[in-house]
Amino acid sequence: NTKITQSPRYLILGRANKSLECEQHLGHNAMYWYKQSAEKPPELMFLYNLKQLIRNETVPSRFIPECPDSSKLLLHISAVDPEDSAVYFCASSRTGNERLFFGHGTKLSVL
Amino acid sequence: GEQVEQRPPHLSVPEGDSAVIICTYTDSATAYFYWYKQEPGAGLQLLMSVFSNVDRKEEQGLTVLLNKKDKQLSLNLTAAHPGDSAVYFCAVSANTGANTGKLTFGHGTILRVHP
Repeated sequence: NTKITQSPRYLILGRANKSLECEQHLGHNAMYWYKQSAEKPPELMFLYNLKQLIRNETVPSRFIPECPDSSKLLLHISAVDPEDSAVYFCASSRTGNERLFFGHGTKLSVL
Repeated sequence: GEQVEQRPPHLSVPEGDSAVIICTYTDSATAYFYWYKQEPGAGLQLLMSVFSNVDRKEEQGLTVLLNKKDKQLSLNLTAAHPGDSAVYFCAVSANTGANTGKLTFGHGTILRVHP
């Protein structure tokens, strides 16, 4: 799926700050961050619809989302913890309650 | 909140056979049903989506059955081939209530299709 691009693809961090980026070219209004830990299903972190934060699941405060416009989504991470090692997927849907399309993910490894 | 159980966790079938994966959910307000395929190191590819007013949907060798009475969703891959080997996830969401807009996934089924 090249219509949802995520960067970077791989990220290795010590206790540093970093941002993940996502951009969708589908004209969708809703964008999501999902976290997939090893051998587990994806779990919702945040949902934006029309740039408004609609859902904020129980996520540590070191994760801060940002939606500068309806096609872009950022995830700022500060002082990562080893439990944060996972693949972070960006997704989008047309209205926020329809089928989701996922990006390829950013694999975060915390040293 | 919504609970989704998926079985089996592992499935191995010979090429040409059918593979069936079943999910059960708990929220009566669940209205949207999806099946995703995930290959190693890749994102999730949407295979099929079904709304709650559909009991059966067939596309390109895949059949999805929805039994709302038993809150059960199934995926049948007919005549599986090695390229179907991947992890398959069911996912559901509601259109009312606390689970609106939230996609809840099953735990996945690792499918291996051997020659």
